[in-house]
Amino acid sequence: AQKVTQAQTEISVVEKEDVTLDCVYETRDTTYYLFWYKQPPSGELVFLIRRNSFDEQNEISGRYSWNFQKSTSSFNFTITASQVVDSAVYFCALSGYTDKLIFGTGTRLQVFP
Amino acid sequence: EAGVAQSPRYKIIEKRQSVAFWCNPISGHATLYWYQQILGQGPKLLIQFQNNGVVDDSQLPKDRFSAERLKGVDSTLKIQPAKLEDSAVYLCASSLGPLREQYFGPGTRLTVT
Repeated sequence: AQKVTQAQTEISVVEKEDVTLDCVYETRDTTYYLFWYKQPPSGELVFLIRRNSFDEQNEISGRYSWNFQKSTSSFNFTITASQVVDSAVYFCALSGYTDKLIFGTGTRLQVFP
Repeated sequence: EAGVAQSPRYKIIEKRQSVAFWCNPISGHATLYWYQQILGQGPKLLIQFQNNGVVDDSQLPKDRFSAERLKGVDSTLKIQPAKLEDSAVYLCASSLGPLREQYFGPGTRLTVT
């Protein structure tokens, strides 16, 4: 069975702090995809990144970076120099060969000025 | 490029009533998904369409939920009769195809009283 665990329910930081959101996954598929989505208070899920299981290179996009480690089944997300606009619920998700997205329970990030 | 459109944005009904939600995917996206997101949880897939055919409806409560995607473009999700536990946000998403990133609409927040 596939499963995504986001152990951090809520994180609070002050602006300009760095913050890392943890994601641990379980799957028996050899080919799979990992995703991060952002859900701001407006409710719409915003796609951030998609990574396949054969590409373990870390990725950086502006203030966002992702660390994929197959050895620990983790796909962590770091926001550098956080801003108030980063306040949202962040979801990690997994899909295998069936294309069904399995979401974690989300981490609520609050960034205070 | 226009995103995924959904209507209505909010709906309040009494239990045992029926309700329908509408979704128009991003132009050219062959795959369409309906998710249910209960407060405090990650979205859960209800049904997936590839063009106008159903790919996965294993988690759709078929005794009360139905969905269709006529002509392979927009889609409707219906609940009849509604129960209190159906109170949730119903999200529609679309993608270019299987295993590609999914883009989500703003959702419909359903309250069943």
